[in-house]
Amino acid sequence: AQSVTQLDSHVSVSEGTPVLLRCNYSSSYSPSLFWYVQHPNKGLQLLLKYTSAATLVKGINGFEAEFKKSETSFHLTKPSAHMSDAAEYFCVVSGSGGSYIPTFGRGTSLIVHP
Amino acid sequence: KAGVTQTPRYLIKTRGQQVTLSCSPISGHRSVSWYQQTPGQGLQFLFEYFSETQRNKGNFPGRFSGRQFSNSRSEMNVSTLELGDSALYLCASSFVGLPSEVEQYFGPGTRLTVT
Repeated sequence: AQSVTQLDSHVSVSEGTPVLLRCNYSSSYSPSLFWYVQHPNKGLQLLLKYTSAATLVKGINGFEAEFKKSETSFHLTKPSAHMSDAAEYFCVVSGSGGSYIPTFGRGTSLIVHP
Repeated sequence: KAGVTQTPRYLIKTRGQQVTLSCSPISGHRSVSWYQQTPGQGLQFLFEYFSETQRNKGNFPGRFSGRQFSNSRSEMNVSTLELGDSALYLCASSFVGLPSEVEQYFGPGTRLTVT
């Protein structure tokens, strides 16, 4: 069975400071991992995905994530937060044990202070 | 290219009624998935349709059903509505790949309130 845990329900940063959103997963096989962002009243948008290529994945809007198999983590980072980054972020795992159903984390709300 | 559209955007229904939600995928996309988003359970996969056939199904009761038409548009139906069905229902489309493997493009959702 696969599962995903987003370790923080809320993360608060100041504009211009680094962002770290943490995600741990549980998977029997090499999973596919995604980060999506959801702005208020909008659908989800893909930030980046890992599918067993490079362990450091670069996404849109300056975000990147590193796949660490030994730690079963896929944390999302950005060097400098912008006010427009304030949104809900979801870590997603899929493809484990033959499952084609994506499992979403509970989400992390990123708050950016001016 | 137009994005995924969902209609209606907001809906209020009474317990026991049924409801049909509609989703038009991005042109050329053949896979359509449906999700339920609630504060208590988060985002949960309902089902996925590809070429008019249900390809994957989540763990929801039979009151939740869907279908896909030849133009890839999809509908989901919930019968005998319960208060717990109040949620944001999201539709997502992708070209051909499984939702577990490829980027999905999400619509803005239909907010269903059951009273």
